[in-house]
Amino acid sequence: AQSVTQLDSQVPVFEEAPVELRCNYSSSVSVYLFWYVQYPNQGLQLLLKYLSGSTLVKGINGFEAEFNKSQTSFHLRKPSVHISDTAEYFCAVAGSYIPTFGRGTSLIVHP
Amino acid sequence: DGGITQSPKYLFRKEGQNVTLSCEQNLNHDAMYWYRQDPGQGLRLIYYSQIVNDFQKGDIAEGYSVSREKKESFPLTVTSAQKNPTAFYLCASSAQGNEQFFGPGTRLTVL
Repeated sequence: AQSVTQLDSQVPVFEEAPVELRCNYSSSVSVYLFWYVQYPNQGLQLLLKYLSGSTLVKGINGFEAEFNKSQTSFHLRKPSVHISDTAEYFCAVAGSYIPTFGRGTSLIVHP
Repeated sequence: DGGITQSPKYLFRKEGQNVTLSCEQNLNHDAMYWYRQDPGQGLRLIYYSQIVNDFQKGDIAEGYSVSREKKESFPLTVTSAQKNPTAFYLCASSAQGNEQFFGPGTRLTVL
């Protein structure tokens, strides 16, 4: 079995500040890990993924995430956010064929 | 351009009606998925298909039906047995073990 917990349902932040969105997972097998972004009334778009290799993964729009096996975490970070980063962010784990998604974190960037 | 399309973007259903949501992909992916999204609940898996002419129930399959007669197509029917169908529906596809590609979604409203 596998599961994903996104620890914050909402994260407010001011523009140009750093941000971290937290994700913890559990799985009985080796995992693939993903972060997706969803803008209002749109589908999800892949931000970044961890399949193997380096534990620091860089994605689109200046986001990065670090895979920590001992803490079973895959937190998403950005050093300086922009108004346009306001969106819903989903963490997902795929140890089996079918991925499991977290409930999402709403990132709200204030001017 | 390769991608995944959903139609219609908005759909209105009267009580007691069946409606069918379209999902087409030209990415040559074997696996396709249907998700339902409600505010604050993340993505919930309705049905998935790993190969043509085969599909499996997800977590909330009651009141829904699917078919997979072609690799490119995975339509979802919302039947009158689904008592609360108003939601945002997302279709996705993937190559085995990798990230999912999402369509733009269909917003279904019951009148």
